[in-house]
Amino acid sequence: GENVEQHPSTLSVQEGDSAVIKCTYSDSASNYFPWYKQELGKGPQLIIDIRSNVGEKKDQRIAVTLNKTAKHFSLHITETQPEDSAVYFCAASKPHTNAGKSTFGDGTTLTVKP
Amino acid sequence: DVKVTQSSRYLVKRTGEKVFLECVQDMDHENMFWYRQDPGLGLRLIYFSYDVKMKEKGDIPEGYSVSREKKERFSLILESASTNQTSMYLCASRKQGYTGELFFGEGSRLTVL
Repeated sequence: GENVEQHPSTLSVQEGDSAVIKCTYSDSASNYFPWYKQELGKGPQLIIDIRSNVGEKKDQRIAVTLNKTAKHFSLHITETQPEDSAVYFCAASKPHTNAGKSTFGDGTTLTVKP
Repeated sequence: DVKVTQSSRYLVKRTGEKVFLECVQDMDHENMFWYRQDPGLGLRLIYFSYDVKMKEKGDIPEGYSVSREKKERFSLILESASTNQTSMYLCASRKQGYTGELFFGEGSRLTVL
């Protein structure tokens, strides 16, 4: 089955700096790569996603890049703010007969220091 | 505002008890999922359902079962709870189709003593 590895497990940055989280996946059939942010006491929430026919996607301070050949994708957060502190999960999804299973990375705890 | 509601935020049960975790979504989604979240292990899929009364095992189904009698409701059942099932359980839903956003509930933290 699919295997998703996420690095680093923890990341601490100063406010205003950039943060980068990287994920690799194993199954070349995967074609949808979302990133979720989980704040304390809440469920994960989608912040950005990318499909396999696109190499990069941006949404304000957040961007995701995808390298299908190398089977890795990355989340980039620029001008970090304290409210960016959370756990971030990457995931990979591939076509499934009925529901489309997502395989998640182990998560990255991002701390943005004021 | 779309919503996935998990009925219990915190539960404490004893070993051997039967445990029901309930999840309801108001988005008319066909697909529903139960994940388990443990520190350092990410989110692991227990079971999912793509239609009423239809279910499939995820990656860690042992010790769990599910029920989906109505489209909006997906229940996770621990027939005989064990201490290694102490965890955070997350329910999610997604509309028909194999890719797209998962909408998560806020989680149910289960402690088995």
